[in-house]
Parts: sequence; structure tokens; C-alpha cells
Amino acid sequence: QQQVRQSPQSLTVWEGETAILNCSYEDSTFNYFPWYQQFPGEGPALLISIRSVSDKKEDGRFTIFFNKREKKLSLHITDSQPGDSATYFCAANNMGYKLTFGTGTSLLVDP
Amino acid sequence: EAAVTQSPRNKVAVTGGKVTLSCNQTNNHNNMYWYRQDTGHGLRLIHYSYGAGSTEKGDIPDGYKASRPSQENFSLILELATPSQTSVYFCASGDAGGNTEVFFGKGTRLTVV
Repeated sequence: QQQVRQSPQSLTVWEGETAILNCSYEDSTFNYFPWYQQFPGEGPALLISIRSVSDKKEDGRFTIFFNKREKKLSLHITDSQPGDSATYFCAANNMGYKLTFGTGTSLLVDP
Repeated sequence: EAAVTQSPRNKVAVTGGKVTLSCNQTNNHNNMYWYRQDTGHGLRLIHYSYGAGSTEKGDIPDGYKASRPSQENFSLILELATPSQTSVYFCASGDAGGNTEVFFGKGTRLTVV
């Protein structure tokens, strides 16, 4: 079963708009949520992360909003740029050895 | 900068053949991982290791073996390759404890014909 779910599967926004990528999880023991960005032909790379003690984490144009009660989080990319076009993975961990990844959202930013 | 190097980058194998994917990290990380990436499934964990000499089963270990002969090296072995194992494979490394950044290699595209 998919413990980490992402939506939408794909998203297209215009340059300058805000892209919103959604993620939900089932395991209440998850307490660390990184988002990874992947460009074609490359491996995923850490973009931004949040721990469950926080409800918001901001890094430049990228912001994670976290709702522990609903087991949901979202990644907001403001002022989207064509260079942000990539696949974004939400992941989760509970202090164990492994990360559990979602299925990813493919973002296209049209100039 | 953290470095994870995978070889080969591309591989074509025949059904029933043996395939070995290699991974080397220079980060001195304890944990290493093998994932496969398929459309619609995201990244799925095959095997992982928390130190030299250790290997653990991930979520989809069937048909795969792993070997961690040293801190730096972690191999994924397909003893009898099947077309269903056609995929992109990623190796990654990270510090012990889990809630830290994991660094990925560039991937190996494996095609089993």
C-alpha cells in the first residue's frame, strides 16, 4: 500500500504563478518530511524539509505547510520559474533507516 | 560536496543473465540504499545497509541481492535478470539516524531484453 500519496500527478503553471503540490501520509509515527527535486537524467536532490514539530518551513520561494492532525502537507513554489520544471517527491521518515517516497508530481512551468 | 557514483550508467542485459550494479560514496556515510524508479510508483526501496557487512531487505527485495563489502561500496545484484526488472536504479547514502539528508547518485538505466 502507498503510505505517502502525492497529488496532482502532473501540474502546469505559468511563469510567475504559485505552484501547489500536495502530499498526505498514513503512518502517524512519521516525523520528518523532506521534499526532493529531480531533473531529467539526474538523481533526486533535497530541496527543503520539515519536522513534525513545525507547521511551516520557508526557504526562499519554497514553503512547506504541514498539518499534523490531518496528516497532510503541501509545497508552495511562489513566482514559479521555468527552471523549476522538474519532478518533486514528498518523502517521510520516522527516525528509522529508510525514507518512504510518494509517487511524485511532475511540474511544468510555462514561460 | 557529497558524492555518490554509480556504474554503469546504462546497461542492457539478457533475460536470465547476472547483472551487478555498483555504487561508491565518498561521504563516509553509514547508510546506503538502493531504490528503483518506475513511472507511477515513484522511488521504491530494494535493499539498504547501515554499515560495512550489513544488508537489509527493503520494500521490494524479491529478485535482488545486495552486498556491502566496505563503507564506500554497495552493490545490487540481479542473479537471474527478468524483463520486469527493467527500470532506473538509484543508489543513495546518508548519515545514521534517518532524519538527515540522503544523497543520490545519477542513476543506472537497466534494460533487460
